[in-house]
Amino acid sequence: QTVVTQEPSLTVSPGGTVTLTCASSAGAVTSGYYPNWFQQKPGQAPRALIYSTSNKHSWTPARFSGSLLGGKAALTLSGVQPEDEAEYYCLLYYGGALNWVFGGGTKLTVL
Amino acid sequence: QVQLVESGGGVVQPGGSLRLSCAASGFTFSSYAMHWVRQAPGKGLEWVAFIRYDGRNKYYADSVKGRFTISRDNSKNTLYLQMNSLRAEDTAVYYCAKELYSGYELDYWGQGTLVTVSS
Repeated sequence: QTVVTQEPSLTVSPGGTVTLTCASSAGAVTSGYYPNWFQQKPGQAPRALIYSTSNKHSWTPARFSGSLLGGKAALTLSGVQPEDEAEYYCLLYYGGALNWVFGGGTKLTVL
Repeated sequence: QVQLVESGGGVVQPGGSLRLSCAASGFTFSSYAMHWVRQAPGKGLEWVAFIRYDGRNKYYADSVKGRFTISRDNSKNTLYLQMNSLRAEDTAVYYCAKELYSGYELDYWGQGTLVTVSS
């Protein structure tokens, strides 16, 4: 069973920088997994932030960026704002029988 | 603007059936693949099903394979999820989501509809 692992929780100070990662039990994450990142605030639907590793949607704030880092997909927030406090999920595409798998989510606290 | 509106959720007994709908507007529905994603209360997101823009390819998570069927009616701009043999563990908010352009990326999401499986 393939598992996608994210940090359960992270804390960052306002104005700081934080990197969230997304690892696959199947091995190194590459661009062929088309990593997506989503933000979800309590009581709201998820909102897409990043697709295909590093591409931003038209509504994605400039302080969010995606990359591959040490065999993982990564989401970096630079100049964190209080409104960035949320749960963040990555999504990887495996194809075949697995298709798409979400990570367990990272709860980001801005403190 | 793109809008996805889910409906059809409710309370159903174990073993029962339910059909969810997702009404799409603001884009050419027949040109885009669609996904269903669910979220159990207090839990993370789980991908459920995918359907190609023309309905010819459908994929399912192992947890729902053989019980759920994804379909679409492009003439009505509507996506469906037929859920049979429902179990307590299917209790979740169900979201529909649109692909960006190649099926691997999700962009717009609906607000979700709650399905509760309970006796």
